[in-house]
Amino acid sequence: AQKVTQAQTEISVVEKEDVTLDCVYETRDTTYYLFWYKQPPSGELVFLIRRNSFDEQNEISGRYSWNFQKSTSSFNFTITASQVVDSAVYFCALSPGGKLIFGQGTELSVKP
Amino acid sequence: NAGVTQTPKFRILKIGQSMTLQCTQDMNHNYMYWYRQDPGMGLKLIYYSVGAGITDKGEVPNGYNVSRSTTEDFPLRLELAAPSQTSVYFCASSYGGPNEKLFFGSGTQLSVL
Repeated sequence: AQKVTQAQTEISVVEKEDVTLDCVYETRDTTYYLFWYKQPPSGELVFLIRRNSFDEQNEISGRYSWNFQKSTSSFNFTITASQVVDSAVYFCALSPGGKLIFGQGTELSVKP
Repeated sequence: NAGVTQTPKFRILKIGQSMTLQCTQDMNHNYMYWYRQDPGMGLKLIYYSVGAGITDKGEVPNGYNVSRSTTEDFPLRLELAAPSQTSVYFCASSYGGPNEKLFFGSGTQLSVL
């Protein structure tokens, strides 16, 4: 089965807290890609990152970091020192064999 | 720098009515997609196209039709609207397929009453 699970439906934090969004995936393919997209209140989905299955290096981009672990089939996303502008729905997605499968999304609310 | 443009942004339909959701992209992308987003369900693929003249079904194609006569345009047609089609619809495009970054439109919120 090909599946993406984002078990956290909603998370609420106070500004400047660190927060981790979990993503667990299932696939039998050995070659695949993982993605994170952000959907702010305006509605349009915005690409954040893409990772291929052969690259397990962690990635950091400013306050954002991603931890990819094939051993646990996870691709978690951490926001350090969260800000109100980080409030959004975040989607993890998996692309095995030419199909893009989205998780259910995690709604993050950052309160001032 | 338009990217992916969807119209309309909002629409209310009566059961049994028909309508077309418009999508156009100016990035010369080969691949285009239509997704629907239901609360708590993520995005589900309705139809996709790998180039002008070529379309194929996604996960949830029933009740919809598409065409791709040009690289730029990928309209989605609802023939006999049903309440189950109440959703937010997103058009997206990419240059080389779903393994690459997708560019999304701003969405169409459709209600069928």
